[in-house]
Amino acid sequence: SQQGEEDPQALSIQEGENATMNCSYKTSINNLQWYRQNSGRGLVHLILIRSNEREKHSGRLRVTLDTSKKSSSLLITASRAADTASYFCARGGNTGKLIFGQGTTLQVKP
Amino acid sequence: NAGVTQTPKFRVLKTGQSMTLLCAQDMNHEYMYWYRQDPGMGLRLIHYSVGEGTTAKGEVPDGYNVSRLKKQNFLLGLESAAPSQTSVYFCASSYSSFGQRDKEAFFGQGTRLTVV
Repeated sequence: SQQGEEDPQALSIQEGENATMNCSYKTSINNLQWYRQNSGRGLVHLILIRSNEREKHSGRLRVTLDTSKKSSSLLITASRAADTASYFCARGGNTGKLIFGQGTTLQVKP
Repeated sequence: NAGVTQTPKFRVLKTGQSMTLLCAQDMNHEYMYWYRQDPGMGLRLIHYSVGEGTTAKGEVPDGYNVSRLKKQNFLLGLESAAPSQTSVYFCASSYSSFGQRDKEAFFGQGTRLTVV
């Protein structure tokens, strides 16, 4: 499978805590993207980081990319109950392919 | 501007029947994708297209065919449905030819297919 690994598969935290999700991959990438999925709904794009970038921020989200280790992480700071969802990383290659990981299910308890 | 629209939203098929799922986007995107999502498996790429008239295999193409006759539409066909094809199918599109190639994908709301 070309899918990478996402870690952890499930995460449960209290509101106000930070949540960190990791994504590893095997092949070279043009970019790495993070998406969010609420139960039973379509995916919504959160942030895209290009292969020549190391860190990117968007509101309470911080994404890092280490191409030497073929890994990325998504940090959600000061989590809220509304952040409860599944989070997926996706690898964009130069052929147009977009390959997703298996996702991390995040539960934020009020 | 509707974004990405999938038709139908739900469908129940009998084993051996055929059907076509339609994906339509109104964002002038070049790239379109079909994924299936099963519990614990994330999204797996079935087929994709990088432009009108082109298609390519993804991670799990067997049992499916696709066509991209018009830029705005990407059709996914099941010629002889099997219970293993019970899943939620998502279509996505990205990359306008007038913009940067590294752009996010926009997703439809999904089609829940059950094969009995």
